[in-house]
Amino acid sequence: AQTVTQSQPEMSVQEAETVTLSCTYDTSENNYYLFWYKQPPSRQMILVIRQEAYKQQNATENRFSVNFQKAAKSFSLKISDSQLGDTAMYFCASTRPRGNYGGSQGNLIFGKGTKLSVKP
Amino acid sequence: GAGVSQSPSNKVTEKGKDVELRCDPISGHTALYWYRQSLGQGLEFLIYFQGNSAPDKSGLPSDRFSAERTGGSVSTLTIQRTQQEDSAVYLCASSPRTGGEQFFGPGTRLTVL
Repeated sequence: AQTVTQSQPEMSVQEAETVTLSCTYDTSENNYYLFWYKQPPSRQMILVIRQEAYKQQNATENRFSVNFQKAAKSFSLKISDSQLGDTAMYFCASTRPRGNYGGSQGNLIFGKGTKLSVKP
Repeated sequence: GAGVSQSPSNKVTEKGKDVELRCDPISGHTALYWYRQSLGQGLEFLIYFQGNSAPDKSGLPSDRFSAERTGGSVSTLTIQRTQQEDSAVYLCASSPRTGGEQFFGPGTRLTVL
């Protein structure tokens, strides 16, 4: 079974600074996807960034980038130039593409989340 | 285009009553997922629909929970004889394909008194 662990329940960062959120996962699969989702107080889950496990290059999306270490099963999120609007819960999640595996069909497995506060 | 919508936004019910939660996925998305978000358990997968295939119900916590998806589009999650531990936010997500990016709705906050 796949598990996702986020070891930082809460973090804070000053506006314009850089912060890194940690995530580790455990899977026996070789082909899978990893995601970071953001959930602001409005409750809407928003995709921040996505990484395909077979790609060695770290995904980037504007101020957001990941450090994907497949051998270590680590998938951290770096937020550069933090903005007040980045204040939210951040969830790391994994899934795997549909295949002849049986069992779950691409559902997301979430970590417990990290509450990030950006301070002015 | 329109995103995933869910209704109602909030639902308060009495213990023992049945509730129905609705999800309208993004048009054309073949995969639809239900998740439950609660303080104690975090985000849990409940059920998954893909096209006309039989749904994956492996995440449903008890037989009081059921879901259907009519015409490959709208889905309804039904909780019978609600219990206080059913109080949570129920999130629906859709995806153009299994394993791809999932787009979430705003959720339904269920409170069982």
